[in-house]
Amino acid sequence: GDSVTQMEGPVTLSEEAFLTINCTYTATGYPSLFWYVQYPGEGLQLLLKATKADDKGSNKGFEATYRKETTSFHLEKGSVQVSDSAVYFCALKGSSASKIIFGSGTRLSIRP
Amino acid sequence: DSGVTQTPKHLITATGQRVTLRCSPRSGDLSVYWYQQSLDQGLQFLIQYYNGEERAKGNILERFSAQQFPDLHSELNLSSLELGDSALYFCASSPFGADTQYFGPGTRLTVL
Repeated sequence: GDSVTQMEGPVTLSEEAFLTINCTYTATGYPSLFWYVQYPGEGLQLLLKATKADDKGSNKGFEATYRKETTSFHLEKGSVQVSDSAVYFCALKGSSASKIIFGSGTRLSIRP
Repeated sequence: DSGVTQTPKHLITATGQRVTLRCSPRSGDLSVYWYQQSLDQGLQFLIQYYNGEERAKGNILERFSAQQFPDLHSELNLSSLELGDSALYFCASSPFGADTQYFGPGTRLTVL
């Protein structure tokens, strides 16, 4: 069945460092891909999404490109801030499916 | 703020009891989804309703049930509670045919 594998955490970076969180997926057909973020004590917020190959999703300085050839959707940000500290979930939704399938989450901590 | 509301925010109860979690979707969204987030299982899809009808089922236990009412709010009923049911329960909603699901803040259930 469909699945998502993402980089194990926790990841700790200094402020202004470059961030990459790796995500790969297994799915039949052409799923939509998402990154959700969960700030401490809060619910899940959609960060960005991409619905077809080579699409780039972007929001709040974060970017991810839908790579069909490598079945990947890595999250990047050029300069992280302390306020980016959160848990990040890579996720997919199959074209004919109702549910979203989530990765295990990556906890990111940014040091001032 | 996603526009999805969930009550209560926290719930503490004892084993063997029954609880009801409530969700109001975003205005205009006909689909409601329930997910469970636990430390050992991660984020898992439980069930989807669309305009009052059950549309898809995931890893939902027989002790759990849900419904969606004519005003589109949904309730998740958990009965014969066990310690392992302690988790964060999220509701999400989406417009008809859309891939993106918008999540509420969650209800944290603690079973003692």
